[in-house]
Amino acid sequence: DAKTTQPPSMDCAEGRAANLPCNHSTISGNEYVYWYRQIHSQGPQYIIHGLKNNETNEMASLIITEDRKSSTLILPHATLRDTAVYYCIVTTYGGSQGNLIFGKGTKLSVKP
Amino acid sequence: GAVVSQHPSWVICKSGTSVKIECRSLDFQATTMFWYRQFPKQSLMLMATSNEGSKATYEQGVEKDKFLINHASLTLSTLTVTSAHPEDSSFYICSARDAGRGNQPQHFGDGTRLSIL
Repeated sequence: DAKTTQPPSMDCAEGRAANLPCNHSTISGNEYVYWYRQIHSQGPQYIIHGLKNNETNEMASLIITEDRKSSTLILPHATLRDTAVYYCIVTTYGGSQGNLIFGKGTKLSVKP
Repeated sequence: GAVVSQHPSWVICKSGTSVKIECRSLDFQATTMFWYRQFPKQSLMLMATSNEGSKATYEQGVEKDKFLINHASLTLSTLTVTSAHPEDSSFYICSARDAGRGNQPQHFGDGTRLSIL
């Protein structure tokens, strides 16, 4: 699976958009970009995933560059409850495979 | 959405005890479940892949005789930490995918915090 690079930490003001970047320059054609977050002492929570098109759901938007070598997770209106470690993971999809390799992620701190 | 339930959420026991952790998919069937371990201030590390009706696949460095995995049904996988010692104290987390729906992400349980005295 392709490796990802994320900044170790970011701050965001409450109510503002949080933009979390991820580099995955070695991504291959059949690999998806997944985003999860982990709030302290809980299991990871799925946020969103995409292949090449931008995606949006009730939690966030995922912007993937045209060359697919990087992506940005956008939380449009960050709240204090969005404080968590955010993981960008690249993996293939197929049948029952697709185990996730977690890196160190980005620790997002949303401040009042 | 898909829900994965893990039990117990927290356990403290004496050294030498065996501890069983359950992972259930509540509203979907999961032919494959995954078991992760997370030490303080570290990221999740995949321990093993649990396959319904067959043997689990363990990651390098994970002792299969120490961490017994059973996936007897499409909604339940169990991880038994045998003869647990203080160094086994960790946060154990399972995940599962909906086998019946293509292109679905893994969903995680809330984890089991294991403390061995």
